[in-house]
Amino acid sequence: GENVEQHPSTLSVQEGDSAVIKCTYSDSASNYFPWYKQELGKGPQLIIDIRSNVGEKKDQRIAVTLNKTAKHFSLHITETQPEDSAVYFCAASLHNAGKSTFGDGTTLTVKP
Amino acid sequence: EPEVTQTPSHQVTQMGQEVILRCVPISNHLYFYWYRQILGQKVEFLVSFYNNEISEKSEIFDDQFSVERPDGSNFTLKIRSTKLEDSAMYFCASSGSGRDYGYTFGSGTRLTVV
Repeated sequence: GENVEQHPSTLSVQEGDSAVIKCTYSDSASNYFPWYKQELGKGPQLIIDIRSNVGEKKDQRIAVTLNKTAKHFSLHITETQPEDSAVYFCAASLHNAGKSTFGDGTTLTVKP
Repeated sequence: EPEVTQTPSHQVTQMGQEVILRCVPISNHLYFYWYRQILGQKVEFLVSFYNNEISEKSEIFDDQFSVERPDGSNFTLKIRSTKLEDSAMYFCASSGSGRDYGYTFGSGTRLTVV
């Protein structure tokens, strides 16, 4: 089955700096890669996603890149703010209605 | 913005008891899921549900687990005889079709088995 690895497990940045979280996946058939933000006591919230026919997608301060050949994808957050502090999960799906396999999560701390 | 609603937010149960966790998915979504998250660990897939039947399930989802969509709005997860290791946050999610792939998760039910 699919295996998703996520790095780093913790990331601390100064407010205004950029943060990058990286994930690799094992199944070349995966074609949908969402990113979720989880705040304390809440469920994961979809923040951005990318499909395998796209190499990069941007939404304001967040962007995701996908390298299908290398089977890795990354989340980039620019101009970080304290409210970006949360646990971020990447995930991979084989098809549009199937299960998602999650990475282990990255705890991002943005210091004011 | 549409939400996935889960009840209760916290459930404490004795080992061996049955529990039912309830979810109201987004009304026009077609795919429904249960995931769990043991404290501090990754989110783990339990089961997916489409067209009134299970479409996929994980090894975790053994005979002690069952899901049901008893009416047009609710989606339930039943654990027949709870074990201590079932203690976790249980998240319900739903997703649409076409380009609306992404999950919308509920806020979860914290299940504590004592």
